[in-house]
Amino acid sequence: EAQVTQNPRYLITVTGKKLTVTCSQNMNHEYMSWYRQDPGLGLRQIYYSMNVEVTDKGDVPEGYKVSRKEKRNFPLILESPSPNQTSLYFCASSLGRQTEAFFGQGTRLTVV
Amino acid sequence: AQSVTQLDSQVPVFEEAPVELRCNYSSSVSVYLFWYVQYPNQGLQLLLKYLSGSTLVKGINGFEAEFNKSQTSFHLRKPSVHISDTAEYFCAVSDRGSTLGRLYFGRGTQLTVWP
Repeated sequence: EAQVTQNPRYLITVTGKKLTVTCSQNMNHEYMSWYRQDPGLGLRQIYYSMNVEVTDKGDVPEGYKVSRKEKRNFPLILESPSPNQTSLYFCASSLGRQTEAFFGQGTRLTVV
Repeated sequence: AQSVTQLDSQVPVFEEAPVELRCNYSSSVSVYLFWYVQYPNQGLQLLLKYLSGSTLVKGINGFEAEFNKSQTSFHLRKPSVHISDTAEYFCAVSDRGSTLGRLYFGRGTQLTVWP
């Protein structure tokens, strides 16, 4: 089954404790992105990647890092999480700019 | 950068009534247009997309949208809604001429269908 898998689905952590949210797709897609969803703000792009080793900042990259060492994986790294990073995070992948973006189920992160 | 405006943050409607969710975008370049739906506790899934050709696009679950270039709009419609259509709906655009494949989303419209 074609899918984008994020882990974990839920995470509660403390300020400053490094964490990684994993994202994996099994569709051989070139494009992958991370978004955060906050009430009333819709989805805002954090980082995106057009291919292996090619990444760029989206609209809200501060406090986040990404890497794309393999085509299927695109982890999101929070080196020192802060409470304002409490949010619902989505990973997405697509074959190209004309095609449908497939989204993961989301990761609800709470930083206390 | 693109800007997408969804004119209504919440739309309440009774079952079997028609509904229109409005979306406007600001762009000086040609775009691709998308509508996504998010059911509670789920990710987003594609409802429909406009790439080229006919300006009236049909999607899943009986939804359709019309691209209006002069008004830079892409409104979503359904002639008769069901309780199961209750969800959040997002309009999104991407630049045709860009190789980056970035999607720009509106803030979402919560559609609530009442019995």
